[in-house]
Amino acid sequence: AQKVTQAQTEISVVEKEDVTLDCVYETRDTTYYLFWYKQPPSGELVFLIRRNSFDEQNEISGRYSWNFQKSTSSFNFTITASQVVDSAVYFCALSEANDYKLSFGAGTTVTVRA
Amino acid sequence: DVKVTQSSRYLVKRTGEKVFLECVQDMDHENMFWYRQDPGLGLRLIYFSYDVKMKEKGDIPEGYSVSREKKERFSLILESASTNQTSMYLCASSSGQGMLGNQPQHFGDGTRLSIL
Repeated sequence: AQKVTQAQTEISVVEKEDVTLDCVYETRDTTYYLFWYKQPPSGELVFLIRRNSFDEQNEISGRYSWNFQKSTSSFNFTITASQVVDSAVYFCALSEANDYKLSFGAGTTVTVRA
Repeated sequence: DVKVTQSSRYLVKRTGEKVFLECVQDMDHENMFWYRQDPGLGLRLIYFSYDVKMKEKGDIPEGYSVSREKKERFSLILESASTNQTSMYLCASSSGQGMLGNQPQHFGDGTRLSIL
């Protein structure tokens, strides 16, 4: 069963708009790790952020911010003031303690129009 | 920066051929992974390796095998290629330090494989 759900398949925005990508996960472990990756048209997945289950503090990195809420099993990602270079497929992923495997969501394609 | 290099960006093969996809990482990572990526399905794990000559099946190992003779190199083998193996293949590596699952995986550029 899929452990990570990204309900939004595609999002299209105009440059400078904010965009929020939803990620809902499912796990029975108390220790787990959440990740976001970006895949630009060139194809390579780029690691953006890792969060462990004991750290619910939100994080901001430039125009990117992440909201982790254990109560709703969500780890959402917001791009503020989007730019054309933000156009990519974004993946949320989960790994559980004592497991090598990453479970990926299906991805959300973000298109930013000039 | 971690560098994961896949031998080909694009590859076209015929049904029934034996196909080798090569992956090399330069960060002395213990763990290496092979995924395939298909539209609407995200990334699915085929095989992974946590040490030289060690391998474990992922979620979709059927029709594939792997080889890890050296720490830096992880090969994916399609024993007899079929059209349903047409896909994007991604290799990744991660450090074995700390708790399992803790370390991010670093990916190569991918190989877009077409089986005709």
